Amino acid sequence: QVTLKESGPVVVKPTETLTLTCTVSGFSLNSPRVGVSWIRQPPGKALEWLAHILSTDEKSYSTSLRNRLTISKDTSKRQVVLTLTDVDPVDTATYFCARYSPGLASPFDYWGQGALVTVSS
Amino acid sequence: DIQMTQSPSSLSASVGDRVTITCRASLSVSGFLNWYQQKPGKAPKLLIYAAQYLHSGVPSRFSGSGSGTDFTLTITGLQPEDFATYYCQQTFSTPRTFGQGTKVDIK
Repeated sequence: QVTLKESGPVVVKPTETLTLTCTVSGFSLNSPRVGVSWIRQPPGKALEWLAHILSTDEKSYSTSLRNRLTISKDTSKRQVVLTLTDVDPVDTATYFCARYSPGLASPFDYWGQGALVTVSS
Repeated sequence: DIQMTQSPSSLSASVGDRVTITCRASLSVSGFLNWYQQKPGKAPKLLIYAAQYLHSGVPSRFSGSGSGTDFTLTITGLQPEDFATYYCQQTFSTPRTFGQGTKVDIK
């Protein structure tokens, strides 16, 4: 059974660094053509793709946030970590991690439940 | 970046209606287009992948079509559990991008 679960702080102060962890089970982060993405959703707004890391360790980032984002993985811990530096209240959102299916068009076939992060002093 | 534009942004429909949502890409994404359904407070769920293929367990009243820049999600015979927000997403290139969403509510 494939599952993903996000964890991290509930509240972060402006200018601090946000670190989120996605812990996966039911698949390997080294499986061919598999990857994990981070997506966020501000309250009442649309989904925004942030970053991904593939089984090859290839990484990609949102154009608007690439200077503030870092994604990494620890295969032995079955974790994918996202850091977002210099946070602002506009970064308040529910942060999801999701798995790329190894199938056609690589859709996100499994999602975590999401973690709400509030940026506030 | 490839921009994804959905229309309409919202619609009202009745149980049993046929509903069509369109998604247009600013550049061709070939068939690398996926559709998701999201209900309030929940993670999105995959409905359609590669423009036309139904994800496992998704009812057959959902269908997708299109290629290149223009895509359609159709719900034939809207059910009460289908009232939700729908998003398209391209996985043709990075950065991956989502449409702004289409909210389907009860008329």
